[in-house]
Amino acid sequence: AQSVTQLDSQVPVFEEAPVELRCNYSSSVSVYLFWYVQYPNQGLQLLLKYLSGSTLVKGINGFEAEFNKSQTSFHLRKPSVHISDTAEYFCAVSSGGYQKVTFGTGTKLQVIP
Amino acid sequence: GAGVSQSPRYKVAKRGQDVALRCDPISGHVSLFWYQQALGQGPEFLTYFQNEAQLDKSGLPSDRFFAERPEGSVSTLKIQRTQQEDSAVYLCASSPRAGTGDTEAFFGQGTRLTVV
Repeated sequence: AQSVTQLDSQVPVFEEAPVELRCNYSSSVSVYLFWYVQYPNQGLQLLLKYLSGSTLVKGINGFEAEFNKSQTSFHLRKPSVHISDTAEYFCAVSSGGYQKVTFGTGTKLQVIP
Repeated sequence: GAGVSQSPRYKVAKRGQDVALRCDPISGHVSLFWYQQALGQGPEFLTYFQNEAQLDKSGLPSDRFFAERPEGSVSTLKIQRTQQEDSAVYLCASSPRAGTGDTEAFFGQGTRLTVV
């Protein structure tokens, strides 16, 4: 079985400040890891994914995430946030097969002007 | 269309009523998923189709839930005798390939079901 934990339900941050959204996962097999973003009244959009290789993954909109196998973490970071980054962010894990994806409970990022 | 389309966007149903939710995936996409997203929660897997075959329905919460994709394109999620606990956003996603866990899934905007 696989699971995802997003400890922070809400993260307020001032505009142009850095942000880190935390994600920990558990799985008994090798995993693929994803971050999705959900803007208000919109569907989920893929930010980035880790499949294999380099543990530092760069995504869209200036976001990046680092896969840490020993700590079973996949934290999302951005060095300088914008108002437009206000959204809910979901970490997700898939252990292959047909892509049955398990999502975390989400972190709401609120960027304060 | 360019993306995954779901209809209706909003549905209010009286308790006990049957509902049908439609998903139009991206043309040519082999894989199709349904997820249920309760308020304040992340999406939870309901069922998976590879073309017209329903390969996994382990996430369907009860036998009141039924999904089909008869021609391998459009899919319908049907809920019979709706209950208040069925209130949620139902998300559909499609993916171009089958049998791999590494491909991006494209999500629709969802159908928000409210059972009163």
